Amino acid sequence: QQQVKQSPQSLIVQKGGISIINCAYENTAFDYFPWYQQFPGKGPALLIAIRPDVSEKKEGRFTISFNKSAKQFSLHIMDSQPGDSATYFCAASLTNTGNQFYFGTGTSLTVIP
Amino acid sequence: DAGITQSPRYKITETGRQVTLMCHQTWSHSYMFWYRQDLGHGLRLIYYSAAADITDKGEVPDGYVVSRSKTENFPLTLESATRSQTSVYFCASRLAGGADTQYFGPGTRLTVL
Repeated sequence: QQQVKQSPQSLIVQKGGISIINCAYENTAFDYFPWYQQFPGKGPALLIAIRPDVSEKKEGRFTISFNKSAKQFSLHIMDSQPGDSATYFCAASLTNTGNQFYFGTGTSLTVIP
Repeated sequence: DAGITQSPRYKITETGRQVTLMCHQTWSHSYMFWYRQDLGHGLRLIYYSAAADITDKGEVPDGYVVSRSKTENFPLTLESATRSQTSVYFCASRLAGGADTQYFGPGTRLTVL
């Protein structure tokens, strides 16, 4: 059973546009929600993360919106740039029990000039 | 500071052969992880280790063996490789205490013929 469901699978956005990637999770005990960015041939790298005590976190052009009641969170990339073209993974985990990150299936983002 | 490295970066083997993928980190992180990445599945945890000589199964451990005799090394062994184990394998590490970010290595692309 997929603990974290991610959509869309792929996304094409014009330069300067907003990219939005959505994730939904099952386990209400999850308390840490990171987003990872992966370029071809590289390992995933942490982009931004949020805990459920806040509804939004912003770092530069990247924002996580978190809806605890709906068990959903999303990544917004403002003013998308061609350099943002990568695969994005959401994840969820429990802080106090084990260390397993449950990853979404990934979204391939292409930003066209 | 090399961070986290994996070797080999590419490996082609045949069905039934034993293969060992190496992971080395220079941060003295307590936790280390092995994931496999497959299209449509995202990243799935194979095994993880909380410290030297402490390992535990993840989501997809069948067919894999791990050991951790030293904090900095976490090798993954496929005892008898199968075609279904063709994948990209990522090693990751993180500090102890809480669900801190995981830092990923560059990956090993394994092809089993």
